[in-house]
Amino acid sequence: LAKTTQPISMDSYEGQEVNITCSHNNIATNDYITWYQQFPSQGPRFIIQGYKTKVTNEVASLFIPADRKSSTLSLPRVSLSDTAVYYCLVGPRGKNYGQNFVFGPGTRLSVLP
Amino acid sequence: EAQVTQNPRYLITVTGKKLTVTCSQNMNHEYMSWYRQDPGLGLRQIYYSMNVEVTDKGDVPEGYKVSRKEKRNFPLILESPSPNQTSLYFCAIYGGMGYGYTFGSGTRLTVV
Repeated sequence: LAKTTQPISMDSYEGQEVNITCSHNNIATNDYITWYQQFPSQGPRFIIQGYKTKVTNEVASLFIPADRKSSTLSLPRVSLSDTAVYYCLVGPRGKNYGQNFVFGPGTRLSVLP
Repeated sequence: EAQVTQNPRYLITVTGKKLTVTCSQNMNHEYMSWYRQDPGLGLRQIYYSMNVEVTDKGDVPEGYKVSRKEKRNFPLILESPSPNQTSLYFCAIYGGMGYGYTFGSGTRLTVV
């Protein structure tokens, strides 16, 4: 299993762009990178997933360099409601690989007014 | 859209009284899992199931049992709950590429 390292916490202000970087030096060739968001007392929620280069959806962008040893989740113009814990997970694709994903401590993002 | 339904949302019980937390999905995903979340310890996997009648231990299985008799349901059983099992529990399904995990709303269990 690829081990991931993220900052424990980050602070930002409303309206700013936030970039959270995750290191995964031993990522395997068939591993994908997935980010989740968790609010207090709720289960984590899937945000975005990618394999290489850049992926964008309606809530975030995911940047993955060519060596894939790290990835960056980018949240454009954050608001107070983006205050949450963000998890970076790395593991193989496929429906039966769920057990390969380990939720670490994540990054606690605090958005200030 | 995938949904995971857990019941009950809140439960207070006494030490030693057997309880079951139910989990059901509205899809046909093979993979289901149970997690517990405690302050400072993050999400820890209790048990998971790759398919009907196929279950395996996660990181913290002691004191828990599960069963997977049908694809949609994956109940978590505490035969003799103890106070150290007071926690927030989540059931999850895994939909694979592009979908990842979908979690239930959680069950907050207090054992006194």
